[in-house]
Amino acid sequence: DAGVIQSPRHEVTEMGQEVTLRCKPISGHDYLFWYRQTMMRGLELLIYFNNNVPIDDSGMPEDRFSAKMPNASFSTLKIQPSEPRDSAVYFCASSLSQGYGYTFGSGTRLTVV
Amino acid sequence: SQQGEEDPQALSIQEGENATMNCSYKTSINNLQWYRQNSGRGLVHLILIRSNEREKHSGRLRVTLDTSKKSSSLLITASRAADTASYFCAYGIGDMRFGAGTRLTVKP
Repeated sequence: DAGVIQSPRHEVTEMGQEVTLRCKPISGHDYLFWYRQTMMRGLELLIYFNNNVPIDDSGMPEDRFSAKMPNASFSTLKIQPSEPRDSAVYFCASSLSQGYGYTFGSGTRLTVV
Repeated sequence: SQQGEEDPQALSIQEGENATMNCSYKTSINNLQWYRQNSGRGLVHLILIRSNEREKHSGRLRVTLDTSKKSSSLLITASRAADTASYFCAYGIGDMRFGAGTRLTVKP
């Protein structure tokens, strides 16, 4: 397996633009997580899915953020409109089940100017 | 959303020495995990210890868990320059929350 695949690796966009981050989890993993990492706030859980269903989105900062998982092999995190304070590294991770370790993707470094 | 602390925040040692990092948490857990992150990379899972376990080993790694004190420690023995990275604990039930991390520097 190629691991968790995220795209793009880097994204630079202007304030107000829509940004879509993509994630392909490991096949057979039932859980998918979106995290955001910044120097100030560390790793923050944004949302997670179990069997494609959103379970907890309490970490999504604002209505500008939305996430979907239309099938077991694909998830998106969308920011619309983007703001400079959204600049961060966004990680996707998947897990076989509860009580198992997570496999992280390489992350998407988002810069909003 | 961080609910725990790790200490020290930074640790610098010589190659061959042991490195100990600590993690404290506030929530209930069914397991605690440790991850490594090299600069500019994603996190890599190192070891998982379940809430009913007290100690676990994996190669040069030793993890302890004290649920009564809500704390865990990660010991890396005979450290190498390649161990230079940030180390994070993660804990919870279902979804995992991450500590602030310890930045370890191993000098050759």
